[in-house]
Amino acid sequence: NAGVTQTPKFRILKIGQSMTLQCTQDMNHNYMYWYRQDPGMGLKLIYYSVGAGITDKGEVPNGYNVSRSTTEDFPLRLELAAPSQTSVYFCASGAGDTEAFFGQGTRLTVV
Amino acid sequence: AQSVAQPEDQVNVAEGNPLTVKCTYSVSGNPYLFWYVQYPNRGLQFLLKYITGDNLVKGSYGFEAEFNKSQTSFHLKKPSALVSDSALYFCAVRALSGYSTLTFGKGTMLLVSP
Repeated sequence: NAGVTQTPKFRILKIGQSMTLQCTQDMNHNYMYWYRQDPGMGLKLIYYSVGAGITDKGEVPNGYNVSRSTTEDFPLRLELAAPSQTSVYFCASGAGDTEAFFGQGTRLTVV
Repeated sequence: AQSVAQPEDQVNVAEGNPLTVKCTYSVSGNPYLFWYVQYPNRGLQFLLKYITGDNLVKGSYGFEAEFNKSQTSFHLKKPSALVSDSALYFCAVRALSGYSTLTFGKGTMLLVSP
């Protein structure tokens, strides 16, 4: 049972570098989400998708991009990394009326 | 816009005592409500959910939650706390209809002392 798989688990980026956080799920869920978690702030929604080819902005989308070419994959792209993007990133997936299933997270530090 | 409020940053309880972690929500129409738990350096684990039906929902590890529509609340409870229950707890809501995102509260740290 793979569930939601995120890679990498840890990453250190220099300011201005780019990277893609990978997320894949094997549960055939339509909904997929990217959140960031900062201490004391809970989870903030970055982007979400309700199906392949459909994405939309969440609460904090600036500095990020996503794509959803398949049901399984929902990568998150950081183009010009900034210290404010230091955070823990979680990908999640779910069906319309069920709970969301979360990956183990990616801890990103921008220096 | 939908929202979740968890008014307590931290809840302290002695082992064996009952615990309550509070959650109130705001959403258009009927809600889906969820509780998740997060242990250090881990992802979020699902505890329980309310969709329709009985207002008292039972979940994993002996947790339960009571849905109160008039008070727009969904408080998490457990009759007898364990030290191993110490963790960060999140309440979340999404609307029952349409394309709705999952919105989380800020989280409540539960500390259970021996």
